[in-house]
Amino acid sequence: QVQLVESGGGVVQPGRSLRLSCAASGFSFRTYGMHWVRQAPGKGLEWVAVISYDASRKYYRDSVKGRFTISRDSSKNTLYLQMNSLRAEDTAVYYCAKDLSLYDTGGPFDCWGQGTLVTVSS
Amino acid sequence: EIVLTQSPATLSLSPGERATLSCRASQSISSYLAWYQQKPGQSPRLLISDASNRATGIPARFSGSGSGTDFTLTISSLEPEDFAVYYCQRRDYWLFGGGTKVEVK
Repeated sequence: QVQLVESGGGVVQPGRSLRLSCAASGFSFRTYGMHWVRQAPGKGLEWVAVISYDASRKYYRDSVKGRFTISRDSSKNTLYLQMNSLRAEDTAVYYCAKDLSLYDTGGPFDCWGQGTLVTVSS
Repeated sequence: EIVLTQSPATLSLSPGERATLSCRASQSISSYLAWYQQKPGQSPRLLISDASNRATGIPARFSGSGSGTDFTLTISSLEPEDFAVYYCQRRDYWLFGGGTKVEVK
């Protein structure tokens, strides 16, 4: 069945970097847009970034532009989120999510990983 | 920028009752709206896409309606497992509403 498994979270000091990974299985990874969504403790869902199926299009929320980079390796069925210059307000559970429709990036998201916690603290 | 406003923030109901959740967009978004359910400690689950299309495996007691700026998620008769937080989301800009918590009265 479709499965997404995130890894790479942890505790990091402000200003440092972290790379999250999302291993995909059970579907044709190379034909779907993929997203990162985060959720701060006790808060709602916040979309972070999207990458098209062929990596030709990438979009970010304003607060992470220039600091976060989304990428994918379809040979490894893996999605990444490189997070630089981390801030306390980036503290959240980060989910990867699969777009519902083939070759689309518009959403909605029909499969989510279990999430990985990123804590930015000195 | 389009904003999605969900109401009420909290809905206190008993099992078997009907739940009606609202999501209002600050501008028309046609039918480009999805609904998700999130239980404590779990990832979100897609319930409804394009305002009214139930996702695979979603029980028929969940239904979505609306277009333009006003949307509704209805749970016809609450089951114990339906007590959770519900989010709406706009397609293409991926924006989420603030959520409605459905709690046991």
